[in-house]
Amino acid sequence: EVQLVESGGGLVQPGGSLRLSCVASGFTFSDHYMDWVRQAPGKGLEWVGRTRNKANRYTTEYAASVKGRFTISRDDSMNSLYLQMNSLKTEDTAVYYCGRSIPYSAHDVWGQGTLVTVSS
Amino acid sequence: DIQLTQSPSFLSASVGDRVTITCRASQGISSYLAWYQQKPGKAPKLLINVASTLQSGVPSRFSGSGSGTEFTLTISSLQPEDFATYYCQLLNSYPLTFGGGTKVEIK
Repeated sequence: EVQLVESGGGLVQPGGSLRLSCVASGFTFSDHYMDWVRQAPGKGLEWVGRTRNKANRYTTEYAASVKGRFTISRDDSMNSLYLQMNSLKTEDTAVYYCGRSIPYSAHDVWGQGTLVTVSS
Repeated sequence: DIQLTQSPSFLSASVGDRVTITCRASQGISSYLAWYQQKPGKAPKLLINVASTLQSGVPSRFSGSGSGTEFTLTISSLQPEDFATYYCQLLNSYPLTFGGGTKVEIK
């Protein structure tokens, strides 16, 4: 079964850090681009960023709202995707989803999401 | 950045109705648009890829059309399980923006 499972969410104070993980199974993880998408409570979807595959040198793209604070990485040997979140703000409170993609194509597989709450 | 504007933001409809949701891009994006369905507490589900390609396993009552700046998602005969929020997403230019969403509720 093709599956993505996120973990690592929780409560963190403003200015703090958190690292999310997304473990893939059932497909060749290394072939795919992988994205993070978030959804604040009661709000719409917001694309956070992307890591390309090895063939495209694992290059990354970020939304302006997180650039310089968040870092996306991956470990193809572990079929894992990561989101390192630093200098967290209250407006980063959201459910964070990982999603599978290929260039110029949609996210066809999504994880179940992990909730990050930034609050004092 | 390219903006996506969905309309309407809210739609009230009955079972069996034909429903159309529009997504307009602030500049031409060829066919690089996707449509997702999201139910409360669940991850989004891909319905339509690159404007008109029905994702495997999605019922044929869903269809997508358009290119350039105007796109539509049509549900030919609304079913009880279709009451959800629908989003469009840009696929060819960063940031990969989502539209604001259209909530489809029971009339």
